[in-house]
Amino acid sequence: EAGVVQSPRYKIIEKKQPVAFWCNPISGHNTLYWYRQNLGQGPELLIRYENEEAVDDSQLPKDRFSAERLKGVDSTLKIQPAELGDSAVYLCASSLGSGSETQYFGPGTRLLVL
Amino acid sequence: RKEVEQDPGPFNVPEGATVAFNCTYSNSASQSFFWYRQDCRKEPKLLMSVYSSGNEDGRFTAQLNRASQYISLLIRDSKLSDSATYLCVVRVGSGAGSYQLTFGKGTKLSVIP
Repeated sequence: EAGVVQSPRYKIIEKKQPVAFWCNPISGHNTLYWYRQNLGQGPELLIRYENEEAVDDSQLPKDRFSAERLKGVDSTLKIQPAELGDSAVYLCASSLGSGSETQYFGPGTRLLVL
Repeated sequence: RKEVEQDPGPFNVPEGATVAFNCTYSNSASQSFFWYRQDCRKEPKLLMSVYSSGNEDGRFTAQLNRASQYISLLIRDSKLSDSATYLCVVRVGSGAGSYQLTFGKGTKLSVIP
């Protein structure tokens, strides 16, 4: 069974440029999560989707970050404009539901903002 | 105070050694507890859940003390392949049957030949 797919794996951009990350969850998983992991830190939740609905986006910096999951399957996370402090690994995870099910992580997108 | 705190590490141990990681959490409403493993430049993967009665999976033993809000992971007979960062994770209900995971910073383990 295919795992969570993310692209690109690496991205280098200059500050003030836009960037977008894509995630395709495990087939049949209704819940999708975007996390940010800074160097030496654990992942921190940015947003959680139940199907196409964003049910927890309290940690998403809404001035520059946006996300969508239009058809309740794959999802896109965007940053516009990027800042130096956005350099991190952006991890997507999915689970069958948002209850006690295990979350499975994708390989992440490593972003470097210069 | 951070919600989930772990030993800072890094832990450098010889093969065959026994090593223990500790973790404390601040939210007394935390309901479930886990250890995740993250290899260098890879994604986190669930290692094991932590149950109140303590649980063992091969060389790995996890324990939970709810009164002290303390979680531990013991690795016996360390292998080179155990080298990774170990993340302590707690799950808190976020309403309507939903849950949120909170991760610690992780403790890096290096097993040396």
